[in-house]
Amino acid sequence: QSALTQPASVSGSPGQSITISCTGTSSDVGGYNYVSWYQQYPGKAPKLMIYDVTERPSGVSDRFSGSKSGNTASLTISGLQAEDEGDYYCCSYAGGTFVFGGGTKVTVL
Amino acid sequence: EVQLVESGGGSVQPGGSLRLSCATSGFTFSNYRMHWVRQAPGKGLVWVSCINSDVSTNYADSVKGRFTISRDNAKSTVYLQMTSLRAEDTAVYYCTRDGSGLGYWGQGTLVTVSS
Repeated sequence: QSALTQPASVSGSPGQSITISCTGTSSDVGGYNYVSWYQQYPGKAPKLMIYDVTERPSGVSDRFSGSKSGNTASLTISGLQAEDEGDYYCCSYAGGTFVFGGGTKVTVL
Repeated sequence: EVQLVESGGGSVQPGGSLRLSCATSGFTFSNYRMHWVRQAPGKGLVWVSCINSDVSTNYADSVKGRFTISRDNAKSTVYLQMTSLRAEDTAVYYCTRDGSGLGYWGQGTLVTVSS
């Protein structure tokens, strides 16, 4: 049950696109199409942004999109906005258990 | 409106026990898998445990044998019994509902393990 690997930080200017990677193994990310992504602001509960690799919950901006290739999932934020600044976590089903990534701090320059 | 409200957090000495509760409303509780996720101060999210609608359970290796998750469908409540607590268990504990991702979260309850 090792944490999924995410970059510690990613930054971009308003309007740009950024991508956050989430690398696991064939026992989690690569083995199932059950990767989800969460946005968290300081002191707040996480918010679901993407589920089942590519699906976006109702109410989440279409600027957020997800994908997966092999053991690596990715979250792309297009048209970066100031409100996107925060921490982002991936999470994968791992055959009964679940595992989160270490988190990525997104900074809007 | 879906609501999840955690309670039961507090300060406890190493080796002690605590039971967290998560009271829910606004959905058919018995139909959903429920999770506990924790976050140590200044750190990332860590999955702790889940209980399925069939009452089967799963645990992270770090808590297996020490924590027990349970549910009471009549009360729409999920519990986390924590024993043999360690300093590294100090965290905000979130209750969250599964169902196309973890779409609903409580506000969290802080557990501090310290002598």
